[in-house]
Amino acid sequence: DVKVTQSSRYLVKRTGEKVFLECVQDMDHENMFWYRQDPGLGLRLIYFSYDVKMKEKGDIPEGYSVSREKKERFSLILESASTNQTSMYLCASRRDSRTQYFGPGTRLLVL
Amino acid sequence: DQQVKQNSPSLSVQEGRISILNCDYTNSMFDYFLWYKKYPAEGPTFLISISSIKDKNEDGRFTVFLNKSAKHLSLHIVPSQPGDSAVYFCAASAGSGAGSYQLTFGKGTKLSVIP
Repeated sequence: DVKVTQSSRYLVKRTGEKVFLECVQDMDHENMFWYRQDPGLGLRLIYFSYDVKMKEKGDIPEGYSVSREKKERFSLILESASTNQTSMYLCASRRDSRTQYFGPGTRLLVL
Repeated sequence: DQQVKQNSPSLSVQEGRISILNCDYTNSMFDYFLWYKKYPAEGPTFLISISSIKDKNEDGRFTVFLNKSAKHLSLHIVPSQPGDSAVYFCAASAGSGAGSYQLTFGKGTKLSVIP
């Protein structure tokens, strides 16, 4: 069974804080992804990584950065959190098939 | 430009009846399609997929139909159950190059199954 875990289910931060969201998968998947989900907008890709230390911008990378130092871990960083980054953040991973497997999500509130 | 469209934001169906969720796409390079189900405050879970070489794929109560000429796919749930109440996302990917890593998602359809 594929398992993708995210460090927090709920997070409350202040505007301007640096925020780290962690994602870990235990299935030796090469590719990992960060999305945000907002009502009426679906899932939008922020960044993805196809291998360790490799990263690619998705559709909405502004205000975010990522880090992939180990194969199993993919971190999303909000350098200076803003209220418009309040959202549900979803991490996913995949190996050979097109199917991506998602973590439970982190609901972030920026005040 | 929205490449994957789910034009119905919501759908209500009686328990035991058929639910039909629709999805249209514009990118002719898409060759693999997936449906995900999402409950509130949880991550999406994979439901069923279909390759463009097929026009139908079935898994228990769930069947996905693909009409390539119309660039349209649909998910049928028969019979619908209250536990099927969730948001359903259609997703697509293109087969070659870096695009094969990515999924493009629709905005989702909220299905409510009424007991």
